[in-house]
Amino acid sequence: NAGVTQTPKFRILKIGQSMTLQCTQDMNHNYMYWYRQDPGMGLKLIYYSVGAGITDKGEVPNGYNVSRSTTEDFPLRLELAAPSQTSVYFCASSYLTGGKNEQFFGPGTRLTVL
Amino acid sequence: DAKTTQPNSMESNEEEPVHLPCNHSTISGTDYIHWYRQLPSQGPEYVIHGLTSNVNNRMASLAIAEDRKSSTLILHRATLRDAAVYYCILRAYNNAGNMLTFGGGTRLMVKP
Repeated sequence: NAGVTQTPKFRILKIGQSMTLQCTQDMNHNYMYWYRQDPGMGLKLIYYSVGAGITDKGEVPNGYNVSRSTTEDFPLRLELAAPSQTSVYFCASSYLTGGKNEQFFGPGTRLTVL
Repeated sequence: DAKTTQPNSMESNEEEPVHLPCNHSTISGTDYIHWYRQLPSQGPEYVIHGLTSNVNNRMASLAIAEDRKSSTLILHRATLRDAAVYYCILRAYNNAGNMLTFGGGTRLMVKP
């Protein structure tokens, strides 16, 4: 299994541009998540999904959109990039197993908005 | 999820045991204690979790206080590869969002 894969690894955007961060998992997990991590800080949840067609906002959803048309894919869309969105973005997935609910994280996408 | 408190950083010598503390005085009866770690330039990875009893796995041990208001992650023999940020997280069993709320974590430095 490849686990959770993310593309691209790095990206530089200009203010106002848009882009989609891709996330794919091959573990048949129901739950998927998008986090952002600013320098020196912990991760903050942007959006999550409990299954295909079902998404919900996390702690910091403003400026982002998501969709979940398949179990495997959970893309994150930035419509009008702003410098405040400069961050490292992590996608994660999990299969709910009671209290464990281990989340598997991708390698991250480092985004810079200039 | 309830709040956790961890030291900002700790230092250890290679091959020695490391005890990483976490305080969670507002923990509720159904909160699980989870530990994740994040190696440099990587995504977080699951380490261990527990509810009331001490737990062991191939990576570490988790010691939970009898009143559950604190816990300690134990690395039995630190290696250079264990240098990472360690996050202590409380997860409610019935959390519909199943989200992890990350605090600042403890940066572990391992000296050769």
